[in-house]
Amino acid sequence: EDQVTQSPEALRLQEGESSSLNCSYTVSGLRGLFWYRQDPGKGPEFLFTLYSAGEEKEKERLKATLTKKESFLHITAPKPEDSATYLCAVQSHTGGFKTIFGAGTRLFVKA
Amino acid sequence: NAGVTQTPKFQVLKTGQSMTLQCAQDMNHNSMYWYRQDPGMGLRLIYYSASEGTTDKGEVPNGYNVSRLNKREFSLRLESAAPSQTSVYFCASSERAGAISPLHFGNGTRLTVT
Repeated sequence: EDQVTQSPEALRLQEGESSSLNCSYTVSGLRGLFWYRQDPGKGPEFLFTLYSAGEEKEKERLKATLTKKESFLHITAPKPEDSATYLCAVQSHTGGFKTIFGAGTRLFVKA
Repeated sequence: NAGVTQTPKFQVLKTGQSMTLQCAQDMNHNSMYWYRQDPGMGLRLIYYSASEGTTDKGEVPNGYNVSRLNKREFSLRLESAAPSQTSVYFCASSERAGAISPLHFGNGTRLTVT
């Protein structure tokens, strides 16, 4: 059964304090791994898709990386507006059209 | 460009009442989905429609029914609401079934069943 585990559950950072969020996954053949950002009271917003181990994607202060067992979302010099819940999700070859989500990491960045 | 629109935004039901959650997308996407989000459990798939005219069960379908009304609209019905169905419900769409494409979400319906 496909499974996605995110850690930590919550992360509190000072503005400018870089850190990483972890997403561990167990799937029968990875088709794609996704990162989403979710603000309070809103739906998730797509950030990145990663397809194979070694791949990296960047957007402003965010960089996502992928290995065969996990993905990291690196946040460089975060700002208060980066505060949100970050969700990791996977699609597998045996999962059909389904996307399986992790529970998310709540990020708080204090000025 | 509205993207994915869900109505209503909030709803309170009593146990045993029924209701339909509405979802419409204007991106010409083929596939649509209903998820529920509960604290600490992440998003769980209720039902999905890979293309117009087809629907399939997801991870937690019990107590729900769906209708793909046309390419744009996908509704979720609770026939007899239970307190366990208190949750935030998200509708999503993606370009086409079989492709590795991200989901585009609405802003959710917050449902409380008392």
